[in-house]
Amino acid sequence: KQEVTQIPAALSVPEGENLVLNCSFTDSAIYNLQWFRQDPGKGLTSLLLIQSSQREQTSGRLNASLDKSSGRSTLYIAASQPGDSATYLCAVVNNYGQNFVFGPGTRLSVLP
Amino acid sequence: EAQVTQNPRYLITVTGKKLTVTCSQNMNHEYMSWYRQDPGLGLRQIYYSMNVEVTDKGDVPEGYKVSRKEKRNFPLILESPSPNQTSLYFCASSLGTGLRNSPLHFGNGTRLTVT
Repeated sequence: KQEVTQIPAALSVPEGENLVLNCSFTDSAIYNLQWFRQDPGKGLTSLLLIQSSQREQTSGRLNASLDKSSGRSTLYIAASQPGDSATYLCAVVNNYGQNFVFGPGTRLSVLP
Repeated sequence: EAQVTQNPRYLITVTGKKLTVTCSQNMNHEYMSWYRQDPGLGLRQIYYSMNVEVTDKGDVPEGYKVSRKEKRNFPLILESPSPNQTSLYFCASSLGTGLRNSPLHFGNGTRLTVT
């Protein structure tokens, strides 16, 4: 059964720092991996989707990489801002394409 | 505006009183799904639907029902709610059947309390 973990569980950094969030999954037979952002009391917003054949995706200050064989993905946030404060979740889709399995999330606080 | 709409946002009910949480999307998405989010357990899938009249169980389907009579709507039904169904519920949808390379779009959530 696929399991997804995220490290660290929480992270607090001063504004302007570059940071890396980690996501690991146990079964490498995935179709794609997606990173989400969740603000308190709100739904999840899709940030980046990486297909299994891709190595990375970029959107603005965000860059996500995927190493499928080792079961790892990283989300890189450049020049962090207080508005980046949120919980970041990764999720993988299995090869049947039916269900996302979510990680527990990393709670990020960017201090002014 | 493209969106997934859930109603209600907040709901307090008593054990055993049937309730329905509605979910509607205006993006002509084929795939729709319900999740619950609990502290320490993360997001877990309840039911999903690949298309109209096609539904299937997720990881935690017990105590829930769904239907997909129209493409845009995917209501979640609790026939006899119990306190262990107190949770934050999310509806989500995706363009492609089976989520293939299509981002998942979420509603804003329904916070349900069963006393």
